[in-house]
Amino acid sequence: SAVISQKPSRDICQRGTSLTIQCQVDSQVTMMFWYRQQPGQSLTLIATANQGSEATYESGFVIDKFPISRPNLTFSTLTVSNMSPEDSSIYLCSVEETGQGTEAFFGQGTRLTVV
Amino acid sequence: KQEVTQIPAALSVPEGENLVLNCSFTDSAIYNLQWFRQDPGKGLTSLLLIQSSQREQTSGRLNASLDKSSGRSTLYIAASQPGDSATYLCAVRYGNQFYFGTGTSLTVIP
Repeated sequence: SAVISQKPSRDICQRGTSLTIQCQVDSQVTMMFWYRQQPGQSLTLIATANQGSEATYESGFVIDKFPISRPNLTFSTLTVSNMSPEDSSIYLCSVEETGQGTEAFFGQGTRLTVV
Repeated sequence: KQEVTQIPAALSVPEGENLVLNCSFTDSAIYNLQWFRQDPGKGLTSLLLIQSSQREQTSGRLNASLDKSSGRSTLYIAASQPGDSATYLCAVRYGNQFYFGTGTSLTVIP
């Protein structure tokens, strides 16, 4: 199974600033996924990142607020821009492996608190 | 929009008990279903993956079943331990889309 390293694991940020979250996978993957989990809620997909093309954003999420980079097949970053307290969430990156079916794997998450 | 529901939202049991967590979904045309564990403030750990053609999967003390016709999956945990305390999420895949339940928060009391 894929091993995903996500940094930072947590951060407390001032409103109006930006935070970049890094996600490193131990194998090459075509697609990487970024999710948000607001307090007490389940996971919501932010965007899908393919190497060599622009990320595809889900409804309600825009590139200006959540720019994503995907420079190669093992790495991606998500930036949370111009943060407000409403951005306080756990942010998770995920990859999928197709073996006996398509299985999803997640990083350890980044717990973001905006004050 | 697909809906995935998990009941109960929270569960507290004494150590050693066997327990069942429930997941229901509205559309039976699933691709697969995956159960995850999430510790507080952390990421998700994959526990079991069930393909749409399968009825159950087992890993150690965990057994997950799938009944597509009734739109239900259960996660059975045998001989629960305090280390099992976590939130358990089910996620249903339809094509390329993944839909998550809101989870069941499990506390196993020593």
